[in-house]
Amino acid sequence: DQQVKQNSPSLSVQEGRISILNCDYTNSMFDYFLWYKKYPAEGPTFLISISSIKDKNEDGRFTVFLNKSAKHLSLHIVPSQPGDSAVYFCAASRPGSRLTFGEGTQLTVNP
Amino acid sequence: GAVVSQHPSRVICKSGTSVKIECRSLDFQATTMFWYRQFPKQSLMLMATSNEGSKATYEQGVEKDKFLINHASLTLSTLTVTSAHPEDSSFYICSADQGDGSLETQYFGPGTRLLVL
Repeated sequence: DQQVKQNSPSLSVQEGRISILNCDYTNSMFDYFLWYKKYPAEGPTFLISISSIKDKNEDGRFTVFLNKSAKHLSLHIVPSQPGDSAVYFCAASRPGSRLTFGEGTQLTVNP
Repeated sequence: GAVVSQHPSRVICKSGTSVKIECRSLDFQATTMFWYRQFPKQSLMLMATSNEGSKATYEQGVEKDKFLINHASLTLSTLTVTSAHPEDSSFYICSADQGDGSLETQYFGPGTRLLVL
C-alpha cells in the first residue's frame, strides 16, 4: 500500500527554468510533509517542509505547495541550477507515526 | 547539518552468511535511530526503530530474528542481516534523530548496498 507516490521517476529541465516535482498521497491523516534531496553516495538531506495548516512555504529558490483537497503537494525550484540535479523524495507524517516516503524523482538540470 | 555515517558502503556476500552494517552519528547523540530499506525504483521503507538501551521496534512484516538491531550507545546502531539470501539484496539506509522532537532533525546516512549471491 503505497501511501505516498511520486509518479514521475525522472524530470529534465534547462538551467534557469522552473522545476516542478509532484507528490500525491492517499492518507488524509498526514499532517506534515517534507522534501529531501539526495546526491549519489550520500544520504537524503532535508530541504523544505510544510504543515497541513498551510498551503505554501517558501525558502529561497524552493517553494512547496500543498493542496489538501487533492492530496497533492509539489516542489518548485526556480531558477533551476545544475547543482540541483539529484533525487528528490517527498515524505509525509501523521501524529504518532514515522515518515512515509515516496519513490523519489531524479531531477536533471541541463546547463 | 549533522553527520551520520554508515559502514560498509557496499558489501557482497554469499547466501547463508550474516552481514553487519554500522550506523554512527558523528557529531551528536542519537537516542533514536531508524533503519530503512529501499528496493530499486521503490520508496524508502522503514524497517525498525532503534532506541538506545532498549529493544528495537520493528515494522509489520519485518522479521526481527532476521534483522537484528543493536543500539548499544548513543552514537552507534548496528543492523545484522542474518543468514542472508538473494532476496535480501537491497539498499539499507539509517537515520539518526537528534531528539528535539522535530522531523527536520532526522539525519540520514549514505546507505549500504548489499548484494547477496
